[in-house]
Amino acid sequence: QKEVEQDPGPLSVPEGAIVSLNCTYSNSAFQYFMWYRQYSRKGPELLMYTYSSGNKEDGRFTAQVDKSSKYISLFIRDSQPSDSATYLCAMSVTSMDSNYQLIWGAGTKLIIKP
Amino acid sequence: EAGVAQSPRYKIIEKRQSVAFWCNPISGHATLYWYQQILGQGPKLLIQFQNNGVVDDSQLPKDRFSAERLKGVDSTLKIQPAKLEDSAVYLCASRSGGSPGDGANVLTFGAGSRLTVL
Repeated sequence: QKEVEQDPGPLSVPEGAIVSLNCTYSNSAFQYFMWYRQYSRKGPELLMYTYSSGNKEDGRFTAQVDKSSKYISLFIRDSQPSDSATYLCAMSVTSMDSNYQLIWGAGTKLIIKP
Repeated sequence: EAGVAQSPRYKIIEKRQSVAFWCNPISGHATLYWYQQILGQGPKLLIQFQNNGVVDDSQLPKDRFSAERLKGVDSTLKIQPAKLEDSAVYLCASRSGGSPGDGANVLTFGAGSRLTVL
């Protein structure tokens, strides 16, 4: 069993729809949760960063962490064709020391149809 | 702020040949990472440097892969000899450190170097 599971998709939705992307994990020690967006032929870029449980909102994006269920979600409201990309979840036990390491999901390919 | 620079962007070689990738991190970033990303998978950490010292190279196939970060700035990743399964994108990332709350302690990636081994 992988430490982080993520459905690779592709997930195809019409423009304007609400998108829900999810990851499950097995290590209860994870405390830092991130969502990265990766456009084709580009490196991943940080989209959302959450510590511990709860919600975090940034514009059309909302990240949720449910540590009791070991489940994290990224919601995209009013989805746009420019949101078409691969979304990678990543998580870490620690953040402050030099041995900061991320455990990555496989990424979900999202396609927003105009 | 300039981003993480990587070169070459694309490389095609035959198996058993050698290849080298170069990375220039964001100025002042002490921590540098090399990741391997195979199509349809998340990034896999190959090696992590803190300044010019190796923090973690447990997943680096040391019989064929090597990496160095001289003077704690630029880094090179070399593969010799290459195998078919080395076909992937090699991503370099850097991190400044600091408190997570101020957003400084996050990884910034380069665009990657895409390797095809025939």
